[in-house]
Amino acid sequence: DIVTTQSPDSLAVSLGERATINCKSSQSVLYSSNNKNYLAWYQHKPGQPPKLLIYWASTRESGVPDRFSGSGSGTDFTLTISSLQAEDVAVYYCQQYYSPPYTFGQGTKLEIK
Amino acid sequence: QVQLVQAGAEVKKPGASVRVSCKTSGYTFNSYGITWVRQAPGQGLEWMGWINAYGYTNYAQKVQGRVTMTTDTSTTTAYMELRSLTSDDTAVYYCARSHITSGYPTIFDYWGQGTLVTVTS
Repeated sequence: DIVTTQSPDSLAVSLGERATINCKSSQSVLYSSNNKNYLAWYQHKPGQPPKLLIYWASTRESGVPDRFSGSGSGTDFTLTISSLQAEDVAVYYCQQYYSPPYTFGQGTKLEIK
Repeated sequence: QVQLVQAGAEVKKPGASVRVSCKTSGYTFNSYGITWVRQAPGQGLEWMGWINAYGYTNYAQKVQGRVTMTTDTSTTTAYMELRSLTSDDTAVYYCARSHITSGYPTIFDYWGQGTLVTVTS
């Protein structure tokens, strides 16, 4: 199984500042035949279902604010929120969909400093 | 608009079974799969498995042998049945629409609101 590990487990950032969350997979999730990284990022708030933010490691889902961006390739990935807003407080998960089981990271809790 | 609507909360006794439904609308059901994910209290997200519209399934090893995922294309509804429940199965269960790339699920873009299943004696 591919293990996805996020860092940090929790993060406190001031409003308007940058937040960066990292995700590392135990093996590459880059599919050579199409040069796509099979990795997504989700935002999860209490009482709501997870919300897809980023897929193919760097493609922003329709309607997601452009302050959210994804980067990385192979085994190392990053979710960046360029200017933190109050509504961004949530738990963020990365997930690989390269091979089953399609594992999620353990989550990163993002709070306001 | 795309919608996935799940049934309400369930309370079950240890050893019992539960069937969670996921009624979909607003898209071509046969062109996508359905993935099931659960979240136990205070824990992270756990992928349970997926099914395509033609009945192909792939289950996580942790629930293999206890879970059955099915679809009803006439009502565009997906179901997840979990048997031999224990307290460890207490969780919110989510269904999610899954894009299919080369026969496998990829992007999980629309999610149901979740169904809380509580296993208690």
